[in-house]
Amino acid sequence: GNSVTQMEGPVTLSEEAFLTINCTYTATGYPSLFWYVQYPGEGLQLLLKATKADDKGSNKGFEATYRKETTSFHLEKGSVQVSDSAVYFCALSDGATNKLIFGTGTLLAVQP
Amino acid sequence: EADIYQTPRYLVIGTGKKITLECSQTMGHDKMYWYQQDPGMELHLIHYSYGVNSTEKGDLSSESTVSRIRTEHFPLTLESARPSHTSQYLCASSESGTSPMYFGPGTRLTVL
Repeated sequence: GNSVTQMEGPVTLSEEAFLTINCTYTATGYPSLFWYVQYPGEGLQLLLKATKADDKGSNKGFEATYRKETTSFHLEKGSVQVSDSAVYFCALSDGATNKLIFGTGTLLAVQP
Repeated sequence: EADIYQTPRYLVIGTGKKITLECSQTMGHDKMYWYQQDPGMELHLIHYSYGVNSTEKGDLSSESTVSRIRTEHFPLTLESARPSHTSQYLCASSESGTSPMYFGPGTRLTVL
């Protein structure tokens, strides 16, 4: 079946460091891919999405490119801030079940 | 800005009590979901609905029940709460199975 694998955390970075959170997927067909962010004490918020191969989703300085050849959707940001500290979830749309499949989440901690 | 609401935000109750967690959305979405999120952050789908009078069990077995009498309302009920039900419960909705999901802020339930 379809699945999402993302790197385990926690990821600890200093402010202004470069961020990469890896996400790979297994899917039949052409799923849409998403990154969600969960700040402490809150629900998940959609961060960005990509609906087809080579699409780049971007928002708030974060970006991710849908790579079909490597089945990846890695999240990147050039310069992280303390306010980016949160849990990040990679997800794909499962056309067969009509549901989103989430990765296990990666905790990012940014230190001043 | 997503318009999906959950009440209460926090609930502490004793074992054996009946509780209902409320979830409402004003976006007119047909699809709604309940997730249970454990302290390790992983999301587990426990119930979903594709429209009025439609409810299905999710991937994780749960003793809770849901109803969908109105499009905008998707309450979750526990007939007899137990300490093992202590968790964060997240409600979500989407326009279609492959569209982005919008999440409520969550209800943190503690059963003593």
